[in-house]
Amino acid sequence: DIQMTQSPSSLSASVGDRVTITCQASQDISNYLNWYQQKPGKAPKLLIYDASNLETGVPSRFSGSGSGTDFTFTISSLQPEDIGTYYCQQDDNLRLTFGGGTKVEIK
Amino acid sequence: QLQLQESGPGLVKPSETLSLTCTVSGGSISSSSYYWGWIRQPPGKGLEWIGSIYYSGSTYNNPSLKSRVTISVDTSKNQFSLKLSSVTAADTAVYYCARHVYYYDTSGYYYPDYWGQGTLVTVSS
Repeated sequence: DIQMTQSPSSLSASVGDRVTITCQASQDISNYLNWYQQKPGKAPKLLIYDASNLETGVPSRFSGSGSGTDFTFTISSLQPEDIGTYYCQQDDNLRLTFGGGTKVEIK
Repeated sequence: QLQLQESGPGLVKPSETLSLTCTVSGGSISSSSYYWGWIRQPPGKGLEWIGSIYYSGSTYNNPSLKSRVTISVDTSKNQFSLKLSSVTAADTAVYYCARHVYYYDTSGYYYPDYWGQGTLVTVSS
């Protein structure tokens, strides 16, 4: 089974700050890595698919990069509405696993 | 606009079978471009993928749930369903149904894009 290690588990940043979250896979997953945002009491929302593609309607301050085993998710300028928990997700032969999540708060 | 809606009992007794249905509206469950799946989230914890099904009936499950999971599809009703047997308190969670975008590169690959709002299922006597 492929394990996903996501870090940090939480972070606090100021409005306007650049925020970076990383996800590491236990083996090469090419670019089969996606990122989700979940707000309290709501279903997760797809932000980035295939490591770096922005889902339609998602603000351009969100971006993703990486391939193989190391991936990065970035919010270029943190906004108050960006608070929530972010998850990475990978596909291993049509069986999915999620990272542990990163809770993002405003300082 | 695609919508997915989970339905089923909110309370299940230990050792019994949890049963949920996801009704899809605004799109056909018989599309060749999608799988349909279930994901759960215990209170205060992270996301766990349960399994998926294609309109043809082909399924994939999370090995950690072993043989407790059965996912089925009813294309005539545009619905798919989850059964989880022998439940314990550890199965208490919000259960989401989700559409999985499917494509074939060097192998099959998919990811959830549209999600239902989720339904809380509590396992308790």
